[in-house]
Amino acid sequence: KAGVTQTPRYLIKTRGQQVTLSCSPISGHRSVSWYQQTPGQGLQFLFEYFSETQRNKGNFPGRFSGRQFSNSRSEMNVSTLELGDSALYLCASSWGTSGGSSYNEQFFGPGTRLTVL
Amino acid sequence: QKEVEQDPGPLSVPEGAIVSLNCTYSNSAFQYFMWYRQYSRKGPELLMYTYSSGNKEDGRFTAQVDKSSKYISLFIRDSQPSDSATYLCAMSASGGTSYGKLTFGQGTILTVHP
Repeated sequence: KAGVTQTPRYLIKTRGQQVTLSCSPISGHRSVSWYQQTPGQGLQFLFEYFSETQRNKGNFPGRFSGRQFSNSRSEMNVSTLELGDSALYLCASSWGTSGGSSYNEQFFGPGTRLTVL
Repeated sequence: QKEVEQDPGPLSVPEGAIVSLNCTYSNSAFQYFMWYRQYSRKGPELLMYTYSSGNKEDGRFTAQVDKSSKYISLFIRDSQPSDSATYLCAMSASGGTSYGKLTFGQGTILTVHP
């Protein structure tokens, strides 16, 4: 079974630009979560999508947004990039039962390394 | 103060040593406790998962959760150079605002030298 894939793997942008990152979950998984990983803050939760609906959101500014398509693929967008947005962006997929009351293992992709100059 | 605290290390041990990694947390709602391993330039991969308090063993790895102390541990026996990686503890609550959200520790960088 193919794992979680993320494209592109590396990206260099300049301040003020916007960027779109893509995540393809494991076949059958309906939940996609996004995380930002930096040396200073570690892994921080951005948001989660399930069946095209955002169910949960972390404490990030509105410049960070996402969406999910009917095939469960997800994109995240960062507008008006700042130097501090340089990070590894990870997505993770899981079955994501609608009740949310049981454990759903999250499988991570390799990440997209974003550098903002 | 962060919800999950983890000593970032780095930790350097000789091959064959027993490694102890720990995390403390403050959110009483956490019920699911995980340890992930992350190699350089890779995404995290799940090593162990424990629900509520107790111990769980898988080969050379043992995970312990003490909810009364809000403390979790991962022990690695007979450590190998291939165990060199960053180890991340992660936790989640259930339902509601916990959908799809894992809260991670800072990660501990482990090096096992031959």
